[in-house]
Amino acid sequence: GDSVTQMEGPVTLSEEAFLTINCTYTATGYPSLFWYVQYPGEGLQLLLKATKADDKGSNKGFEATYRKETTSFHLEKGSVQVSDSAVYFCALNSLSSASKIIFGSGTRLSIRP
Amino acid sequence: GAVVSQHPSRVICKSGTSVKIECRSLDFQATTMFWYRQFPKKSLMLMATSNEGSKATYEQGVEKDKFLINHASLTLSTLTVTSAHPEDSSFYICSARDPGPPNPDTQYFGPGTRLTVL
Repeated sequence: GDSVTQMEGPVTLSEEAFLTINCTYTATGYPSLFWYVQYPGEGLQLLLKATKADDKGSNKGFEATYRKETTSFHLEKGSVQVSDSAVYFCALNSLSSASKIIFGSGTRLSIRP
Repeated sequence: GAVVSQHPSRVICKSGTSVKIECRSLDFQATTMFWYRQFPKKSLMLMATSNEGSKATYEQGVEKDKFLINHASLTLSTLTVTSAHPEDSSFYICSARDPGPPNPDTQYFGPGTRLTVL
């Protein structure tokens, strides 16, 4: 079945460092791909999305490009801030399972001042 | 953007009692809502898909008599944890799909409900 694999955390970086969180997927067809963010004590928020190959989703300085050839959707940010500390979930919209969202295991990110 | 609320945000109950959690779409009509369970430091596990006016579809391994779901209107779905036990303690999150443009396949998540069963 469809699945999402993302890098294990936790990830700890200093402020203004470059961030990459890897995400790869296995799916039937060409699903939409998402990154969700969960700040401490809060629910999930959609961070960005891409709906087709080579699309780039971007929001709040974060970017991710839908790479069909490598089945990847890595999350990047050029200069992280303390306020970016959160758990990040890569996800896909499963075309083979009634459009359910399949989540990765989440990556906890901590940014040091 | 679309807003989904949950109530209560936190509940503590005694073992054997039942607890109801509400999920509301505040500014759109949601024909489909989803209920997830999140274990500490783990990802979200889909429990069931709730369709307005019909029975919910449960994922494998989820007891439908234990977790009662009702989707009585286009803006409200409820999850009732019946005869709760300590192992039911978890973070329960709902989401709702806005079928309208511009993003009909996007789910909007509620803030979650922390259930603690003593």
